[in-house]
Amino acid sequence: GQNIDQPTEMTATEGAIVQINCTYQTSGFNGLFWYQQHAGEAPTFLSYNVLDGLEEKGRFSSFLSRSKGYSYLLLKELQMKDSASYLCAVRGDGQNFVFGPGTRLSVLP
Amino acid sequence: EADIYQTPRYLVIGTGKKITLECSQTMGHDKMYWYQQDPGMELHLIHYSYGVNSTEKGDLSSESTVSRIRTEHFPLTLESARPSHTSQYLCASSELGSSNQPQHFGDGTRLSIL
Repeated sequence: GQNIDQPTEMTATEGAIVQINCTYQTSGFNGLFWYQQHAGEAPTFLSYNVLDGLEEKGRFSSFLSRSKGYSYLLLKELQMKDSASYLCAVRGDGQNFVFGPGTRLSVLP
Repeated sequence: EADIYQTPRYLVIGTGKKITLECSQTMGHDKMYWYQQDPGMELHLIHYSYGVNSTEKGDLSSESTVSRIRTEHFPLTLESARPSHTSQYLCASSELGSSNQPQHFGDGTRLSIL
């Protein structure tokens, strides 16, 4: 079967650093994607990992370990506008995406 | 700036009506998808297409149908709407065969069946 796990909710303070974890078990692996989704809006693409290691993009970084079926999204210098759901998605066999349940992040002043 | 468009954004309609949710993209993507998402819940794939005249059912059983007569257009139809169809429907597209390319999502249609 296919399964992606993420924490349901996280809370952090403005200016802090937060790490959102994702573990996955999927049939086939063709990359892991992180999306941001504000309430009532469409998901928007944040990052992509297919090889082990860290990918950095400004305040956002994403890490992948294929042997452990594990990824994390790291958000630095948190801002109030970062309050959103963060979706982990794996591109598996057949090139379809399997989405995790999302982690709802609340950034407090 | 959106390159994938969904209409309507919101629809409130009575039980038994036939509904078509529209989705169009201007990026020339071959692959298109429909997802269903309840508030605060995960996305569930209900239909996808590899290109013109290709339609496949997704992981979540759905009473809806889709068609793909043109590359840019992927409408979803409910023949007889029921309250259980109340949800948000998201359309997405991606390049075929490029593993590092993400999906691009439309703004969604929030559907309420009375």
